[in-house]
Amino acid sequence: AQSVAQPEDQVNVAEGNPLTVKCTYSVSGNPYLFWYVQYPNRGLQFLLKYITGDNLVKGSYGFEAEFNKSQTSFHLKKPSALVSDSALYFCAVRAFSGYALNFGKGTSLLVTP
Amino acid sequence: DAGVTQSPTHLIKTRGQHVTLRCSPISGHKSVSWYQQVLGQGPQFIFQYYEKEERGRGNFPDRFSARQFPNYSSELNVNALLLGDSALYLCASSLQVLAGGGETQYFGPGTRLLVL
Repeated sequence: AQSVAQPEDQVNVAEGNPLTVKCTYSVSGNPYLFWYVQYPNRGLQFLLKYITGDNLVKGSYGFEAEFNKSQTSFHLKKPSALVSDSALYFCAVRAFSGYALNFGKGTSLLVTP
Repeated sequence: DAGVTQSPTHLIKTRGQHVTLRCSPISGHKSVSWYQQVLGQGPQFIFQYYEKEERGRGNFPDRFSARQFPNYSSELNVNALLLGDSALYLCASSLQVLAGGGETQYFGPGTRLLVL
């Protein structure tokens, strides 16, 4: 079975400060890992993914994520947060042989001016 | 380019009724997946279709069914609606079937279903 844990329901950060949204995963074999963002009353927008290769993945809107196999983590980061980054962030994992994305419960990010 | 489109955007039904939700994938995408997102939770996988065949199914009852048409659009059908079926239903498309590949799924805006 594959699963994702997002340990924080909410992350608060001041505009201009770095942000981190945490994600740990459990999967048999090599994982495919994804981050999506959801704004109110909208669908999910793809941010970035890890398939293989470089452990630091760069994505849309200045976001990046670091894959750590030993800690089974895939934390989302951004060097300088914007108020417009406030949204719901989902981490997802898919096993190599799987069809479905397994999502975490989501982390609400609030960036204050 | 148009993204994934879904219709209707909102829907209100009563218990026991049937509902059909529709999805058009991104042009050129041949795979469609359906997810259910209950308020406060992450999306849960329902189905994946590729080339009109079901390729994966999540842990949902037989009241849920889907199909994919020759133009790769898809319908999700839910029979005998229950209050617990109230959710945002998301459709996602990708170029190919997902197993064994790092394909990205691109999501539509969803259909919000309320069952009274």
